[in-house]
Amino acid sequence: RKEVEQDPGPFNVPEGATVAFNCTYSNSASQSFFWYRQDCRKEPKLLMSVYSSGNEDGRFTAQLNRASQYISLLIRDSKLSDSATYLCVVAAPGYSTLTFGKGTMLLVSP
Amino acid sequence: ETGVTQTPRHLVMGMTNKKSLKCEQHLGHNAMYWYKQSAKKPLELMFVYNFKEQTENNSVPSRFSPECPNSSHLFLHLHTLQPEDSALYLCASSQETGGAVADTQYFGPGTRLTVL
Repeated sequence: RKEVEQDPGPFNVPEGATVAFNCTYSNSASQSFFWYRQDCRKEPKLLMSVYSSGNEDGRFTAQLNRASQYISLLIRDSKLSDSATYLCVVAAPGYSTLTFGKGTMLLVSP
Repeated sequence: ETGVTQTPRHLVMGMTNKKSLKCEQHLGHNAMYWYKQSAKKPLELMFVYNFKEQTENNSVPSRFSPECPNSSHLFLHLHTLQPEDSALYLCASSQETGGAVADTQYFGPGTRLTVL
């Protein structure tokens, strides 16, 4: 089983749509979880951390399910500027080394 | 944003060349990282430096040689590379607090390397 697994997509959605991505991880001892965003030919940038209780930042909501070892990202009211690759990132406890998924590509069209 | 800078942005080299990639962080962080991103593969961690000491070396071939002269600068020296080493090389930095939760990493724009 891959350490961090994501559906590569692409997810094609119209503007204003709601879209959700899931990510599964294999290390049950993982402690930290993040979603990064990477635009085409650019560096990854932190979108949001994922907390056990779930967290929301504007149109973005992240959830963590430790029992099933998956993380989700929900984007509401999609904008054209949301088009990017979304990277699921997991870290084991006490380490600063992050394990990245391959990413899920989102394409938002007018 | 200029928190983490990398030079050069693009590099084309032959298999017999020797070149170096440079990374500089202006965030006052104490940890720096080299990653490799190849097409259709996840980011692969290559090296980690924490307080200038190398703490991770993920089975990277010896043709890649890192150097961290201080906590703000990180180099990746390249020699006798192979065409399969062509990739985007990303530098990142973070402020490590030693807690159970990993700290946010900030990435540079990367060097796109092509080995002929």
